[in-house]
Amino acid sequence: DIQMTQSPSSLSASLGDRVTITCQASQDIGNYLNWYQQRPGKAPNLLIYDASNLQRGVPSRFSGSGSGTDFTLTISSLQPEDIATYYCQHYDNLPPITFGQGTRLDIK
Amino acid sequence: QVQLAESGGGLVKPGGSLRLSCAASGFTFSDYYMNWIRQAPGKGLEWLSYISFTGNTIYYADSVKGRFTISRDNAKNSLYLQMNSLRAEDTAVYYCARGGQGGGWFDPWGRGTLVTVSS
Repeated sequence: DIQMTQSPSSLSASLGDRVTITCQASQDIGNYLNWYQQRPGKAPNLLIYDASNLQRGVPSRFSGSGSGTDFTLTISSLQPEDIATYYCQHYDNLPPITFGQGTRLDIK
Repeated sequence: QVQLAESGGGLVKPGGSLRLSCAASGFTFSDYYMNWIRQAPGKGLEWLSYISFTGNTIYYADSVKGRFTISRDNAKNSLYLQMNSLRAEDTAVYYCARGGQGGGWFDPWGRGTLVTVSS
């Protein structure tokens, strides 16, 4: 099974900061990597699909990059509503589909 | 408006059974593959099962294989998860999620239904 490792596990940043979260796959997954945001008490919401494509309706301050085994989610300027846990997810060579363990983001 | 609404969660004893439902609206249900994903309290996301458009292709995570059964009724725009031999570690919020057209992402997700397995 393909393992997904996110870092950091938690992160504190100031409003307006540029925030970067990384996700590493245990083997090459091409660009089969998606990112989700989960606000407290809510269901996850798709942000980025296929590594770098912004889902419709998602603010442009979110961006994704990477391919192969190393991927990055970037928030260009942190806003209060971005406080959430972020998950990466692969879908190469399924089953199974696996998620990273999550990165909890809060305000410093 | 695309919507998914889960139901059927609740408290069940270890070894018991429960059937979850997911009602879909706002899109052509039969055009999409569907998934179940769960989240234990305070933990991360765990994909459980996938079902293709017609139900001909089904996948399960090892953690539920042989105990859980996914199914769908396209005439009723509904997805189901039959859960048998439930264990304490199955306690979680269970989400249904629509598969992406052209790729393996999940969008949207339902609000989830809580399943608690306890004596």
